[in-house]
Amino acid sequence: EDQVTQSPEALRLQEGESSSLNCSYTVSGLRGLFWYRQDPGKGPEFLFTLYSAGEEKEKERLKATLTKKESFLHITAPKPEDSATYLCAVRGPDTGNQFYFGTGTSLTVIP
Amino acid sequence: EADIYQTPRYLVIGTGKKITLECSQTMGHDKMYWYQQDPGMELHLIHYSYGVNSTEKGDLSSESTVSRIRTEHFPLTLESARPSHTSQYLCASARTYEQYFGPGTRLTVT
Repeated sequence: EDQVTQSPEALRLQEGESSSLNCSYTVSGLRGLFWYRQDPGKGPEFLFTLYSAGEEKEKERLKATLTKKESFLHITAPKPEDSATYLCAVRGPDTGNQFYFGTGTSLTVIP
Repeated sequence: EADIYQTPRYLVIGTGKKITLECSQTMGHDKMYWYQQDPGMELHLIHYSYGVNSTEKGDLSSESTVSRIRTEHFPLTLESARPSHTSQYLCASARTYEQYFGPGTRLTVT
């Protein structure tokens, strides 16, 4: 059973067109949900950690939110340099130091 | 800024060869990880380590080994490379649970 599902798989936005990426998870007893950005040919770059429902984190044009079943990564007025694949990962009580990653959302921002 | 290094960045090797992928970090992190990533797929954990002389197997560990003799160094060895090992290998480290990734090694086994 998939622990983490991300949607959409791909998203094309015009510059300035705000949108949201979704990460839904099935692990119970969440002990952390993590967002990463990955550029082509590079390793993922850490963005945010969320631990409890209702929690929000912001960084520049990005805001991550968390509910009991899913997390959203909101992108406000995106720029072309925001184009990347965005990954989420979860850690649960039974996973110890292991993490379940989603397959990511590939975001393209068109000038 | 995270300082974690992987060598080589690219490697093309023949079937049956023994290879070691190197990973080093200068942040003093106790936790280190090896992942395999194929295009459009999720990261799969191969091995991880909580600290020196501590290693654990992940989901894809059966054909590889790791060692953790020094905090900063976490090499991954494939004893006999196969075409199915062709993939991107990512190393990461963490002080708590936020992972810092290296640039990856792109391995092609012919």
